[in-house]
Amino acid sequence: DAMVIQNPRYQVTQFGKPVTLSCSQTLNHNVMYWYQQKSSQAPKLLFHYYDKDFNNEADTPDNFQSRRPNTSFCFLDIRSPGLGDAAMYLCATSLYRENTEAFFGQGTRLTVV
Amino acid sequence: KQEVTQIPAALSVPEGENLVLNCSFTDSAIYNLQWFRQDPGKGLTSLLLIQSSQREQTSGRLNASLDKSSGRSTLYIAASQPGDSATYLCAVGGGADGLTFGKGTHLIIQP
Repeated sequence: DAMVIQNPRYQVTQFGKPVTLSCSQTLNHNVMYWYQQKSSQAPKLLFHYYDKDFNNEADTPDNFQSRRPNTSFCFLDIRSPGLGDAAMYLCATSLYRENTEAFFGQGTRLTVV
Repeated sequence: KQEVTQIPAALSVPEGENLVLNCSFTDSAIYNLQWFRQDPGKGLTSLLLIQSSQREQTSGRLNASLDKSSGRSTLYIAASQPGDSATYLCAVGGGADGLTFGKGTHLIIQP
């Protein structure tokens, strides 16, 4: 059974039109992460939540926001998608930030037209 | 800033061979190291997690080693099969910094 579920698997959005990607987990983990992975590149951490505490990476553009309304769900909002934001977006969870295994969802492939 | 390098970037071998994938990292102050598999257009599947105090972990035909002091890890795949074809990613855990990934090794096992 899938433990980290991302919806949708594929998302096409128009340039500049806000888009929201969804992630849910059945593991009851404290930490939820969002990573961006462009073609043939390493996944790059955008931000993470430890419980309700939001932790933004210093180089994450302001165009990217996140919400975690409860333990199970986390959303990635892109306020004004540009062509350069086309990528695979990966959600991951872990019980703690240290010394625990990270579990990833299947990803959402975002296309900007 | 932590940097992770994986060598080789791509590898193609005949079925049945044993093979080694390499991962190196610049900062030895890590909590753990994780190896993942990524199939085309898919998310990441965790293969092995090695805590910083451990030297190796094994799962089936996979064995991963960690030498934290030298900043190196290897993933050994025994008796490779066509179904092992995928991209293999190494990631080091730095606590609040999340995971820092290498670019991966793209592996093709020829039938």
